[in-house]
Amino acid sequence: SQTIHQWPATLVQPVGSPLSLECTVEGTSNPNLYWYRQAAGRGLQLLFYSVGIGQISSEVPQNLSASRPQDRQFILSSKKLLLSDSGFYLCAWSGFRNSPLHFGNGTRLTVT
Amino acid sequence: AQSVTQLGSHVSVSEGALVLLRCNYSSSVPPYLFWYVQYPNQGLQLLLKYTSAATLVKGINGFEAEFKKSETSFHLTKPSAHMSDAAEYFCAVSGETSYDKVIFGPGTSLSVIP
Repeated sequence: SQTIHQWPATLVQPVGSPLSLECTVEGTSNPNLYWYRQAAGRGLQLLFYSVGIGQISSEVPQNLSASRPQDRQFILSSKKLLLSDSGFYLCAWSGFRNSPLHFGNGTRLTVT
Repeated sequence: AQSVTQLGSHVSVSEGALVLLRCNYSSSVPPYLFWYVQYPNQGLQLLLKYTSAATLVKGINGFEAEFKKSETSFHLTKPSAHMSDAAEYFCAVSGETSYDKVIFGPGTSLSVIP
């Protein structure tokens, strides 16, 4: 069966520090991969999606970047965190077009 | 562009009462529609999905949703609420783009009163 791993579960970082969140998927090949952010009390905002290795599309211009160095690995990064980067970050995968998304357990990021 | 609205950011029901969570969508193509549930500090779990096979869709945990094209709605219902149903519920739509861009509604927080 397919599983998705996302870490760390919680993270507290000072303003201006770098960020690296990692997500890996097991049990499937060539998944579509996504990063979402969920601000407190708000819905989900799609940040990045990827349909293959090295193929990253950004939905909103911001202080973050994403990379997909391997088929089932998706990394969210920042060189310098802002206070506004605080939130709940969710990684997800899907198997084919218009299929449901499968989410990781999320990373709670607090920028202080 | 596709969009989703969910009427009511907070809904409270008594245990055993009917649960009705509203979702309306806009789409220029036949949509794929989903309901997800999120428990505190967790990711989202799929409750059910509509993919044009049947207008009444049954999901997990006793939930179901009905697709009404004329009303552009996909409301979620459950006949009898349980305490364990307390969570955040998200409606989502996809299908308009050539890639899997899923648009989520703002969510509805469901409280169940004992």
